[in-house]
Amino acid sequence: SAVISQKPSRDICQRGTSLTIQCQVDSQVTMMFWYRQQPGQSLTLIATANQGSEATYESGFVIDKFPISRPNLTFSTLTVSNMSPEDSSIYLCSAGERSQYFGPGTRLLVL
Amino acid sequence: AQSVTQLGSHVSVSEGALVLLRCNYSSSVPPYLFWYVQYPNQGLQLLLKYTSAATLVKGINGFEAEFKKSETSFHLTKPSAHMSDAAEYFCAVSYTGGTSYGKLTFGQGTILTVHP
Repeated sequence: SAVISQKPSRDICQRGTSLTIQCQVDSQVTMMFWYRQQPGQSLTLIATANQGSEATYESGFVIDKFPISRPNLTFSTLTVSNMSPEDSSIYLCSAGERSQYFGPGTRLLVL
Repeated sequence: AQSVTQLGSHVSVSEGALVLLRCNYSSSVPPYLFWYVQYPNQGLQLLLKYTSAATLVKGINGFEAEFKKSETSFHLTKPSAHMSDAAEYFCAVSYTGGTSYGKLTFGQGTILTVHP
């Protein structure tokens, strides 16, 4: 199994600003993903973080709003840009091969 | 397209009673199936997974699930509930190949409450 850490664990931000969330895996993995969990909701896939190439976004999510980097096989970042209160959610990264293991999440509140 | 339906957004049991959380999936190809647990203010922890080996899968904390292709189900059970099992449980499905490999589609979640 993979052990995944995320930073920050939580943040309170003002609307119009941006926040970059970091995800670190303790071993090299091919697959890394970013999910969003809105209050009281299930998880929705934002994008696949591809190492060495542009991320692949799911329907309803765009690169300008959620730019993602994946510089190597153990690290990825997700930026939430030009935030609004609707972006208040838990953002989770996951990694693994046949099984996906999750980080602890970043709890974001936008005022 | 794949989808997951969890029957019952809330399930309440007494301590020591059987836990049964229902999950039905829809997938056009053989799926991988997962159960995750989320405790308050924490991330998701993998309970167990089905990846086309044995249809009865045993996981952590005494949980198990049975893959039934004919019923397109993957229900989660535990013979005897413990207070510490109170949490939200998510069933998820992923494709086994192609460009969607590894992507998880989640059910809506079931909140399990355990009464003393």
